Amino acid sequence: TQLLEQSPQFLSIQEGENLTVYCNSSSVFSSLQWYRQEPGEGPVLLVTVVTGGEVKKLKRLTFQFGDARKDSSLHITAAQPGDTGLYLCAGAKTFGNEKLTFGTGTRLTIIP
Amino acid sequence: DTEVTQTPKHLVMGMTNKKSLKCEQHMGHRAMYWYKQKAKKPPELMFVYSYEKLSINESVPSRFSPECPNSSLLNLHLHALQPEDSALYLCASSQDRRRGYEQYFGPGTRLTVT
Repeated sequence: TQLLEQSPQFLSIQEGENLTVYCNSSSVFSSLQWYRQEPGEGPVLLVTVVTGGEVKKLKRLTFQFGDARKDSSLHITAAQPGDTGLYLCAGAKTFGNEKLTFGTGTRLTIIP
Repeated sequence: DTEVTQTPKHLVMGMTNKKSLKCEQHMGHRAMYWYKQKAKKPPELMFVYSYEKLSINESVPSRFSPECPNSSLLNLHLHALQPEDSALYLCASSQDRRRGYEQYFGPGTRLTVT
C-alpha cells in the first residue's frame, strides 16, 4: 500500500515558470523529507520538516509541512533546467523509526 | 562531508556469478541501509544495520547477503541472482537509527543480471 501520493506524476514546464508539487497522505508523519534524484544517481536530501505548519526555504525552493503533518508541498520559483529530476517525498512515522515511506515521485522537466 | 560512495558504478553478472557491492561513508554515521530501486519506482528498503549489527531484513531472498565489517563499510554479497534482480542498488546512511529519518544516499550501483 502506497501511503504517500505525489501529484502531479509528471510535469514539464518552461524555464522561468513557477510550479508546485504535492505530497499527500491519510497518515500522520513525525517528519517529512524531500529528495531530488537525477537519472542513474542516488536521491539527494533537500530538506527535512518536522513541525506542523513549518515552512523552509532553500534558495528558490519553498517546502511546507501541513498543519496536521499529513501532507507537504514543494514550490519552485523561476524554475531552471538544473531543477530537472525526480522529486521524492519520504515520511517517517515516528522519531527513532528509520523506515521511510517514499512517495510515488514527480518527474520534473524544465525546458530551456 | 556528506558523501556516501558506492562501487562499482555498473555491474553486469550472470546468474551463476558471485559478486559484491561496496558502500563507504566517513561521516561517523552508525546506521547504514541497502535499498533496491526499479525503474520509475521509489527506493525499496532491503536491510538496515545499526552499530554494525543487522537490525532489519525486509524479507529479502537469501541470494542477497549483507555484511557490515566496520562502522564505515557496508557490503552486499550477491549469488545466484535472477534477471528480475536487475535494478539500481542504493546505499544510505544516517547518524543513527533515531535520526533514521535523515538518510544520505550514495550514487548507486546499476546491476544487470543476464
